[in-house]
Amino acid sequence: DAGVIQSPRHEVTEMGQEVTLRCKPISGHNSLFWYRQTMMRGLELLIYFNNNVPIDDSGMPEDRFSAKMPNASFSTLKIQPSEPRDSAVYFCASSPGYSGNTIYFGEGSWLTVV
Amino acid sequence: AQTVTQSQPEMSVQEAETVTLSCTYDTSENNYYLFWYKQPPSRQMILVIRQEAYKQQNATENRFSVNFQKAAKSFSLKISDSQLGDTAMYFCAFMKQGGGSNYKLTFGKGTLLTVNP
Repeated sequence: DAGVIQSPRHEVTEMGQEVTLRCKPISGHNSLFWYRQTMMRGLELLIYFNNNVPIDDSGMPEDRFSAKMPNASFSTLKIQPSEPRDSAVYFCASSPGYSGNTIYFGEGSWLTVV
Repeated sequence: AQTVTQSQPEMSVQEAETVTLSCTYDTSENNYYLFWYKQPPSRQMILVIRQEAYKQQNATENRFSVNFQKAAKSFSLKISDSQLGDTAMYFCAFMKQGGGSNYKLTFGKGTLLTVNP
């Protein structure tokens, strides 16, 4: 079975450019998460969707970040404009449930903003 | 807010030996879930083991087992017969019971485990 699929795996972009990260959750999973991993802050939740509806976006750093989930099989995380401090690994994850179920992670998108 | 503490930034073990990684957490909740995830050099986050707080029995998955001490808020991971492929960063994580904003993982800072041949 396919896991959570993320693209791109690596991206290098210049400061000020728009970055779009993409995610396809595991089929049948109705919860989707975006996490960010940095050396300084570790793993932190950015936003969580359930049944395509954003439930908790308290971790979204600022207005430069936005996330959408137009349907059950696709989500995007957009950064506009990008800044060097946005350099991190961004993980998409999905889960079949709503409470207590295991959350399965994709392989991550490694973003470098220069 | 919940916090998860992994006090060992790095550990090493010889192949075939046993190693225990520590994790403590702080919560006022009575029902919750605990997880150990592994992140090898490929960076993917892989579930190792999971524990429901209402279960007294410690979870086991092949060579991996936990020592869950609810009163002490401790959740350590034991890896038996360590293999070179176990070399990775290990993260302890906490999840509250319930949906909504409770349904998320709070991670510790991680322990880098190196298995030496």
